[in-house]
Amino acid sequence: QVQLQESGPGLVKPSQTLSLTCSVSGGSISSSYYFWTWIRQPAGKGLEWIGLMYSEGITVYNPALKSRVAISLDTSKNQLSLKLSSVTAADTALYYCARGSYDYGDPRFDPWGQGTLVTVSS
Amino acid sequence: SSELTQDPAVSVALGQTVRITCQGDSLRTYYAAWYQQKPGQAPLLVIYGRNDRPSGIPDRFSGSRSANTASLTITGAQAEDEADYYCHSRDSSGYHSFGGGTKLTVL
Repeated sequence: QVQLQESGPGLVKPSQTLSLTCSVSGGSISSSYYFWTWIRQPAGKGLEWIGLMYSEGITVYNPALKSRVAISLDTSKNQLSLKLSSVTAADTALYYCARGSYDYGDPRFDPWGQGTLVTVSS
Repeated sequence: SSELTQDPAVSVALGQTVRITCQGDSLRTYYAAWYQQKPGQAPLLVIYGRNDRPSGIPDRFSGSRSANTASLTITGAQAEDEADYYCHSRDSSGYHSFGGGTKLTVL
């Protein structure tokens, strides 16, 4: 059974770059059937999709974050990474990674990691 | 990315049926996925595709679609179903989005 675990600094200073890693176990991140995605959730608020990466290296980012986001895969480590630059307090959130797939084009994210809290503060 | 609209809150009496809806243009093309999120937990996929449930999800959860509206129905709601529910879809450009979430209270 595939499991995902996020990790990274819990505190980032304003204007710096947030860097998170998602370690995948129980399955290969190179599988062409799946893609890998990041989602975030500010405290007490809803889910916001950040972006995704397909195994062939193609990325798709939320237009609202596109200028600041970079997602990558490290197949040697079976890890997914997120970098978000020029962070502000508005980027404070619980960050999740998830495995995505399509069935006849219909999407789903499953499973999800447990999430990692990132606070942006000086 | 396309917008998805959900009612902020819905309530249901224990054992009764409740429908949670999600509206958006992308739903005319793609079926929504639905996630259940309980406090302090990650979202959990409960419905995807036309009306599919992951292993372990009770069959009281079902999904449907009409025009631009997707629905999650819980038939015979249980106390443990009290949670936030989010719909999720994509558009033809490959951008994904979530609805704002619906807080379900079981009375």
